Amino acid sequence: SQQGEEDPQALSIQEGENATMNCSYKTSINNLQWYRQNSGRGLVHLILIRSNEREKHSGRLRVTLDTSKKSSSLLITASRAADTASYFCATVGELYGQNFVFGPGTRLSVLP
Amino acid sequence: GAGVSQSPSNKVTEKGKDVELRCDPISGHTALYWYRQRLGQGLEFLIYFQGNSAPDKSGLPSDRFSAERTGESVSTLTIQRTQQEDSAVYLCASSLMLKPLHFGNGTRLTVT
Repeated sequence: SQQGEEDPQALSIQEGENATMNCSYKTSINNLQWYRQNSGRGLVHLILIRSNEREKHSGRLRVTLDTSKKSSSLLITASRAADTASYFCATVGELYGQNFVFGPGTRLSVLP
Repeated sequence: GAGVSQSPSNKVTEKGKDVELRCDPISGHTALYWYRQRLGQGLEFLIYFQGNSAPDKSGLPSDRFSAERTGESVSTLTIQRTQQEDSAVYLCASSLMLKPLHFGNGTRLTVT
């Protein structure tokens, strides 16, 4: 099965700084997705990047995908205290019906 | 529109009792997933339903765990003879094929 592995496991930055999180995976994918989880809640989808895309933007989020290295990065620019959360990547396999597996996540703390 | 609904939101049970957790997915979503998340940890895949195909049960940790789904609607996750290590948040998510997951807010299970 697919597996996303994020790094770092924890990241602490000051408000206004940029935060970069990385994700590595093992096999061929159809797409890769990033999710955010606030404490005690379900995950919320942030952005999806397809295997034929290299970069995607959504507001202050920028995602890159390098299929040759089987890795992705999530950049949050001009971070805010409200961005404090855990961030997870998940990959969707090429074959119909494959499930996808989440990594342990990156816990981001943005200090005011 | 309604999102993914899980019930109960919290469940406290005694060791050895059976529990049943319910998930109401978004109408029309063919895929449904169950995950377990221990405190401060990532998501552990349990089981995946896709349409009328046989479910992927590869993540179920023991034969005390089972899940059913009626067509493309409600799913129940049953844990028999609960143990203290079963204490966790159980998250359900639904989606259309290859599309982002929509998560419920989870059921927090505490086994005393």
